[in-house]
Amino acid sequence: DVKVTQSSRYLVKRTGEKVFLECVQDMDHENMFWYRQDPGLGLRLIYFSYDVKMKEKGDIPEGYSVSREKKERFSLILESASTNQTSMYLCASSARGRHTEAFFGQGTRLTVV
Amino acid sequence: DAKTTQPPSMDCAEGRAANLPCNHSTISGNEYVYWYRQIHSQGPQYIIHGLKNNETNEMASLIITEDRKSSTLILPHATLRDTAVYYCIVRVVKDDKIIFGKGTRLHILP
Repeated sequence: DVKVTQSSRYLVKRTGEKVFLECVQDMDHENMFWYRQDPGLGLRLIYFSYDVKMKEKGDIPEGYSVSREKKERFSLILESASTNQTSMYLCASSARGRHTEAFFGQGTRLTVV
Repeated sequence: DAKTTQPPSMDCAEGRAANLPCNHSTISGNEYVYWYRQIHSQGPQYIIHGLKNNETNEMASLIITEDRKSSTLILPHATLRDTAVYYCIVRVVKDDKIIFGKGTRLHILP
């Protein structure tokens, strides 16, 4: 019973390409998140959305943008991919303002060459 | 920035209780303590949360000190499947952002 689905498990892109990472949740959650995870650095928040068309920058938004046109879908966009964006990207969702857990997708391992 | 401090790694023998410490000395009165874990190649998974009372569920127990400046996650009978990175997080419920630290890598030894 997968609840948060990321469109790709593995992705290889070239430097300078525009990259879209897609995430869909089926729990009607208000909040959605994008993180990246790198060895020794843990999970770092890139962007957060608390409602459709609403977004907030996380700790490392540079080089990324996001789109949330529908409640269930949250897209992470790399406008011009660079090698330092090679990473594991994790999407999550949660219900707003309550003691509910965040559910994570399986992650997308992006390699930029 | 993460508001918690955890040891980078710990070992525990299979079948024994695993006690994972977390320091959160700057925690404020309306902040809760949450624990997540991440098994290799998977996304993080929620374990438990608490405010000031000890909490227990089917996965673990959470012990929070009286001054709330530290807490311990207890896995009562660790198995090899509990090998993972464990994250301690403090957050205000109305603040929906979840900020992770670097966590503790727990190795369960057979």
